[in-house]
Amino acid sequence: GEDVEQSLFLSVREGDSSVINCTYTDSSSTYLYWYKQEPGAGLQLLTYIFSNMDMKQDQRLTVLLNKKDKHLSLRIADTQTGDSAIYFCAESISGGYNKLIFGAGTRLAVHP
Amino acid sequence: KAGVTQTPRYLIKTRGQQVTLSCSPISGHRSVSWYQQTPGQGLQFLFEYFSETQRNKGNFPGRFSGRQFSNSRSEMNVSTLELGDSALYLCASSTDGGRDQFFGPGTRLTVL
Repeated sequence: GEDVEQSLFLSVREGDSSVINCTYTDSSSTYLYWYKQEPGAGLQLLTYIFSNMDMKQDQRLTVLLNKKDKHLSLRIADTQTGDSAIYFCAESISGGYNKLIFGAGTRLAVHP
Repeated sequence: KAGVTQTPRYLIKTRGQQVTLSCSPISGHRSVSWYQQTPGQGLQFLFEYFSETQRNKGNFPGRFSGRQFSNSRSEMNVSTLELGDSALYLCASSTDGGRDQFFGPGTRLTVL
């Protein structure tokens, strides 16, 4: 079945690294995504990883994918107050065209 | 390149009315997907259009419909509005193959 799960809340100190975790159930996932949503705004695409990759790095962002455990993580280095937002993990399914299945979102709070 | 635009940004309707929302994708993108975001259900896929054809549909009642025009702009319509239709409606645009899926700012619909 199609299901994506995330922890709901994460609090970190400014300057520390944040790690947001996600698990998914569908083994036919093609791409896995991370989106950021700030209050009152739409979804901002942060990064995505193809399902046959293990890692992708993009500036302060590192995505790790463990296909065996169906586990995806997003690491934000040197977290800033501007990183405070809700982060959504999403998967696209083979044969599903562009349909995305989203997790419930992880609220990241960055404090001084 | 201009991003995904959605109009209107805010709407207030009463139960029983109908509403039409519009989405203009990024130039060159032929796929438009629609999502409903509510606090209780999170982000749920409504449908996807590609080259004026609906390719995929989520689990929503027939009151929710959409279409796509030859210039790739898309509209979604909700008839006989219910209180539970109050939500943020987001559209996403992508090329076929959909690796990069970019979202618009959303239309906030309030049903009274």
